[in-house]
Amino acid sequence: AAGVIQSPRHLIKEKRETATLKCYPIPRHDTVYWYQQGPGQDPQFLISFYEKMQSDKGSIPDRFSAQQFSDYHSELNMSSLELGDSALYFCASNEGSSYNEQFFGPGTRLTVL
Amino acid sequence: GEDVEQSLFLSVREGDSSVINCTYTDSSSTYLYWYKQEPGAGLQLLTYIFSNMDMKQDQRLTVLLNKKDKHLSLRIADTQTGDSAIYFCAERLQTGANNLFFGTGTRLTVIP
Repeated sequence: AAGVIQSPRHLIKEKRETATLKCYPIPRHDTVYWYQQGPGQDPQFLISFYEKMQSDKGSIPDRFSAQQFSDYHSELNMSSLELGDSALYFCASNEGSSYNEQFFGPGTRLTVL
Repeated sequence: GEDVEQSLFLSVREGDSSVINCTYTDSSSTYLYWYKQEPGAGLQLLTYIFSNMDMKQDQRLTVLLNKKDKHLSLRIADTQTGDSAIYFCAERLQTGANNLFFGTGTRLTVIP
């Protein structure tokens, strides 16, 4: 079965650079969630989209923005990167009407030097 | 607010049962989940329970929910070395938002 795809899997950037993370949800899933997991931390919700509109916002810094496109894939744009942005970024997807399961991607490991 | 707590570490011997505990503060939780995360890997959903249930069993996994005490537990029977991982409980609230609030994670180490 198709799973959530995230790219790239690993990314190394320097301070003050920008990064774009991509998420391709499971086919027919219309809702995408972004989570950030710092080293040794639990995943923290950043932002979500349903049918290409932002649905909920968590602890996403103003330096970050995200959107969902017409094909339901989503991109997380991160600017003015800081050392503290080094983390594993997960994308999850489900059908908007589903109250059961969010399917998580493998994550993108971002390292800021 | 959402505050989900777990003990950080648990060690068990292979073949024994493991019990991982989780407490939460928000009584408006609708679904409660258990996720498994192996080193460097993503989050794998193990099981979930709806807030009006007391117990759910799925093969080696048993979830118990005490809604009065806001306590959730995951029991793994006949724990194997492949069960070594970090286990996160997570809650979804009744506020209409579908995002999950994760606990701090419990690192389970299975000793052969």
